[in-house]
Amino acid sequence: GQNIDQPTEMTATEGAIVQINCTYQTSGFNGLFWYQQHAGEAPTFLSYNVLDGLEEKGRFSSFLSRSKGYSYLLLKELQMKDSASYLCASMDSNYQLIWGAGTKLIIKP
Amino acid sequence: IAGITQAPTSQILAAGRRMTLRCTQDMRHNAMYWYRQDLGLGLRLIHYSNTAGTTGKGEVPDGYSVSRANTDDFPLTLASAVPSQTSVYFCASSRGSAGGELFFGEGSRLTVL
Repeated sequence: GQNIDQPTEMTATEGAIVQINCTYQTSGFNGLFWYQQHAGEAPTFLSYNVLDGLEEKGRFSSFLSRSKGYSYLLLKELQMKDSASYLCASMDSNYQLIWGAGTKLIIKP
Repeated sequence: IAGITQAPTSQILAAGRRMTLRCTQDMRHNAMYWYRQDLGLGLRLIHYSNTAGTTGKGEVPDGYSVSRANTDDFPLTLASAVPSQTSVYFCASSRGSAGGELFFGEGSRLTVL
C-alpha cells in the first residue's frame, strides 16, 4: 500500500536548526513535496524534489533520496513564525499526492 | 488577486441535510481538487477535475459529488450529510493535471450533528 511516515511533533529552540524526516512508499514516484500549514490556515507550498540531492531555498532546504524512499526538510535560524505543521506528500504514478499526517513543529524562545 | 475562494468558512449542519461547499479560482488553473483534513490523518482526496467538463474520484469519494461546468468553479456537494463528514474541507488548484504546486483555499470547517 501507499504510506507516508513523518514524526507527529517536534520541538526546537529559536535560532537553532531542525530536520524533519519523511519516508514514503507509493505506487510509482513523481516527486516529493513539502508544505507548511499554520494552525487554522491553508497549506502553502515550500519545496519540490524529484531528483536526488539537496535543494536550498533561503532558510529552508529539502533533501531527497529516491533509493531510500526518504526526504527531509531542514529549517535553519528558526524563528517563532516557523511554528507550524509541515506536510510531506509524495506524488504517485497517477500524479496524485499521497499526504503524511504532518509534523507539528513547536519553537521555544 | 484572490487565488482560491471557498464558502462558507464555517457551517454547522444537521445530519441528513444537503450542503454545497463552493470553490472559485481566478488563476485559470486547469486542475482542481477537494480534500478533507482530519486530526491525525493526512489530507485525503475526495474528488478532482483535470479540466473543465471532467471529474474523477479520489481516495474517499463516497457521500460526495462534484461538478466542473467551467474552469473557475468546482462545488462539492454532500447529498445527505452524516456526522463522519465533520471535517475541514480544502479546495485546491494546480496549473496542470500532471503534478505541480497546489494552491489551496482557506478551508471550510463543517460540523455535522
